Amino acid sequence: EVQVLESGGGLVQPGGSLRLSCAASGFTFSNYAMFWVRQAPGKGLEWVSVIHSGGDGKYYGDSVKGRFTISRDNSKNTVDLQMNSLRAEDTAVYYCARDTVASASGDYGMDVWGQGTTVTVSS
Amino acid sequence: SYELTQPPSVSVSPGQTARITCSGDALPKKFAYWYQQKSGQAPVLVISEDNKRPSGIPERFSGSSSGTMATLTIIGVQVEDEAVYYCYSIDNSDNHRVFGGGTKVTVL
Repeated sequence: EVQVLESGGGLVQPGGSLRLSCAASGFTFSNYAMFWVRQAPGKGLEWVSVIHSGGDGKYYGDSVKGRFTISRDNSKNTVDLQMNSLRAEDTAVYYCARDTVASASGDYGMDVWGQGTTVTVSS
Repeated sequence: SYELTQPPSVSVSPGQTARITCSGDALPKKFAYWYQQKSGQAPVLVISEDNKRPSGIPERFSGSSSGTMATLTIIGVQVEDEAVYYCYSIDNSDNHRVFGGGTKVTVL
C-alpha cells in the first residue's frame, strides 16, 4: 500500500525548534518530489515546502522561508522538516504529501497524503 | 505573491450541479488540481492536471480550464459531497505553489 506517515509534532514554546519527519512506503521514494502542507486551526491549506526527488531543489513558502528547512534521505525513504524560530502562527496540522507524477521537480500536484501531525506553538 | 481566488461558499440541492471556480494569472500555462477535504480528514485529490479524474473518484466530478480560470463541476451532487474544495497550482516561476482559499460546498 502506498502511504506516508508523519511524526514529530507536539507543543513547543515560541522561538523554539521542532523537527517533523515523514516515512514513505509502497512506492519508489527516490523518484518523487515530496511536499509539506499545513493547515492552521479553522483555516485553509497552505503550501509550506517542496523538495525535488534527488534532494537538490528545495523551495519554501514566504511565511516560512529562512526559518524552515526541508531535507530527505532516499536510503531511508524519509523527508524531514526542520522548523526553527517558531511562532504562534505556525500552529497547524502539518501534512506530508507525494507528487502526483514521478518527476524530479514537483511541478505537479499531490496525490498521497498522510493524516498529519499537529504542531502547537504556545507558552 | 501568487494567488488563486475561489468563492467562499456554494450551496446546492441534492441531484443538482455545483460549479466551483478558481482564478489565477498563471493558469493559462499551469495545471490546476482540486482537493476535497471533509471535516477532520486529510485532503483527497479529486481532479489532476485540469481534468483528469484519479482512480476511485466518482464520474460526477469533472474539471476544466480556460484562460485564467479553472472550474470543478460536480454533476448530480450527493450529500456525501459536502466538503471544502481547494484548487492548487504553481506560479510561472515554478518556484512557488499555492492553494486557493477553499470553497465550502453545502448540500441543502
